[in-house]
Amino acid sequence: QVQLQESGPGLVKPSETLTLICTVSGGSFTTSHWAWIRQPPGKGLEWIGYISHSGKTDYNPSLRSRVTMSVDTTKRQFSLKLSSLTAADTAVYYCAGDEALGAFGVWGQGTMVTVSS
Amino acid sequence: EIVLTQSPATLSLSPGERATLSCRASQTIGASLFWYQKKPGQPPRLLIYDASYRATGIPARFRGSGSGTDFTLTISSLEPEDFAVYFCQLRSTWPPYSFGPGTKLEIK
Repeated sequence: QVQLQESGPGLVKPSETLTLICTVSGGSFTTSHWAWIRQPPGKGLEWIGYISHSGKTDYNPSLRSRVTMSVDTTKRQFSLKLSSLTAADTAVYYCAGDEALGAFGVWGQGTMVTVSS
Repeated sequence: EIVLTQSPATLSLSPGERATLSCRASQTIGASLFWYQKKPGQPPRLLIYDASYRATGIPARFRGSGSGTDFTLTISSLEPEDFAVYFCQLRSTWPPYSFGPGTKLEIK
């Protein structure tokens, strides 16, 4: 059974760069698209981007200029960097996996990130 | 870019009643449509994949249907734990993933 766990700071300052890491345990690391998805308070879900085990990426066009994702297969981790943060980036950030269904069948518990000085 | 809309935004029903949630795509999308349940403090849970197939462990009262541009999630008889927000999600060529705005299913 695949389990995902996000880690990273809960509070970051405006204009700084957020770095989150997702650690994958169990299951296969090579058959999934690994994604980041966020939910601002009171709002809906927003797909940020995904990365494959080989490092292929795709990002939400609305965030592309500020997003970088990377993968470390030896550690079974993938990461998100989001730069030039503003208050609008305050959200619960989830890592999730698409195990070839086209949908996200596995999710981390989510981590709340607040952007504030 | 294909845009998903969901209706109604809020649905007020009582336990035992039937819930019908709609997701509409701005273009024909085949069957690559998925449904999630989201409760406060929990990650989304995949309910339905490929428009009509229940994910592992999902009760039979959840039913997905539709194709083309119009999709429906039906909950045949609401249980207290079904009151949540429901999102539809599209898998497409570009962008690869997108979500609808959600329908809040609340207790009447």
